[in-house]
Amino acid sequence: EVVLTQSPGTLSLSPGERATLSCRASQSVSSSYLAWFQQKPGQAPRLLIYGASSRATGIPDRFSGSGSGTDFTLTISRLEPEDFAVYYCQQYGSLPQTFGQGTKVEIK
Amino acid sequence: QVQLVQSGAEVKKPGSSVRVSCEVSGDTFTSYAISWVRQAPGQGLEWMGRFIPILGIANYAQNFQGRVTITADKSTNTAYMELSSLRSEDTAVYYCARGAFMDVWGKGTTVTVSS
Repeated sequence: EVVLTQSPGTLSLSPGERATLSCRASQSVSSSYLAWFQQKPGQAPRLLIYGASSRATGIPDRFSGSGSGTDFTLTISRLEPEDFAVYYCQQYGSLPQTFGQGTKVEIK
Repeated sequence: QVQLVQSGAEVKKPGSSVRVSCEVSGDTFTSYAISWVRQAPGQGLEWMGRFIPILGIANYAQNFQGRVTITADKSTNTAYMELSSLRSEDTAVYYCARGAFMDVWGKGTTVTVSS
């Protein structure tokens, strides 16, 4: 199975700063089938990015995804107060689908 | 718009089974796979398996093989996830989600396993 490793575990930043989250796969992710989710306490995850770089419906353009093969990045260009949350990457190119362990973006 | 409505919270005894439902509204049920993902308290997301209605097949994560059964009833646009031989470690929120990259999620069903 494809193991996804996210780094860092926690990112402490201030509103307005840029956030860069990493997701590394143990083997190449087929066809860049890599998604990013945001999850806030007590809520279901929300899809942000699919296909490594395509924004989901209604997602602000401050969120962007990039990468291919085994290295992927989620960038939040300028953090808004509502962006402080946990972020997960997920690959859906091969079975079993797998998630990274998450990166928490917290207010500094 | 598309909604996935899940059944309510459950409290179960160790060794028993639980079945969680997920009704899809606002969309053609057979168009997408339905995945099940669970999240133990304070932990990350874990994919359990999926059902592909148009093919009538299910795929499961190795961790749950033999204990989980995912099915669907096309007449009611509802998917089901049944987990058997429950243990305390199965206490979690169980989510259903639409499609390969899970663009729509249910609100989650809390399953508590306790004697």
